[in-house]
Amino acid sequence: KQEVTQIPAALSVPEGENLVLNCSFTDSAIYNLQWFRQDPGKGLTSLLLIQSSQREQTSGRLNASLDKSSGRSTLYIAASQPGDSATYLCAVFDNNDMRFGAGTRLTVKP
Amino acid sequence: KAGVTQTPRYLIKTRGQQVTLSCSPISGHRSVSWYQQTPGQGLQFLFEYFSETQRNKGNFPGRFSGRQFSNSRSEMNVSTLELGDSALYLCASSLQAANPEAFFGQGTRLTVV
Repeated sequence: KQEVTQIPAALSVPEGENLVLNCSFTDSAIYNLQWFRQDPGKGLTSLLLIQSSQREQTSGRLNASLDKSSGRSTLYIAASQPGDSATYLCAVFDNNDMRFGAGTRLTVKP
Repeated sequence: KAGVTQTPRYLIKTRGQQVTLSCSPISGHRSVSWYQQTPGQGLQFLFEYFSETQRNKGNFPGRFSGRQFSNSRSEMNVSTLELGDSALYLCASSLQAANPEAFFGQGTRLTVV
């Protein structure tokens, strides 16, 4: 059974800092990995989708990498801003369903 | 184009009652998945529908059921509500069932009292 883990559970950084969020999964037989952002009480906003054949995806200040063989993905956020404060979730899709990590709660202080 | 729409946004029900939640996917998307999110358990998969057929089901009791209509809109029903059913219920739509990119709605916040 696929297990997804995100470290750290919470992170607080000053504005302008570059940061890395980590996601690991136990079964490398995935179709894709998706990073989401969730604001309190709201739904999930898709940030980046990495297909299993890809190594990384970039969107603006965000860069996500995927290493299937080691079961790891990272989300890199450059020049963090207070508006980046949210919970970041990674999810892997295998043959049957999408499994989520517990998320990393990010706070960017002005 | 319009995103995933979930109704209602908030709901308060009493123990023992039943509830129906609705999800309208992005136009053209045929796959709809439902998730339950609680502080203790995180996001847990409930079920997925594709072209009116349940394709996958998570590990939830039979009180949780769903269906999908020919226009891809989906409903989720929970019968005999328990306090522990209080959660944010999220719906996601995808263009296809396999290897999907999921787009989520804003969720329905269900409170059982």
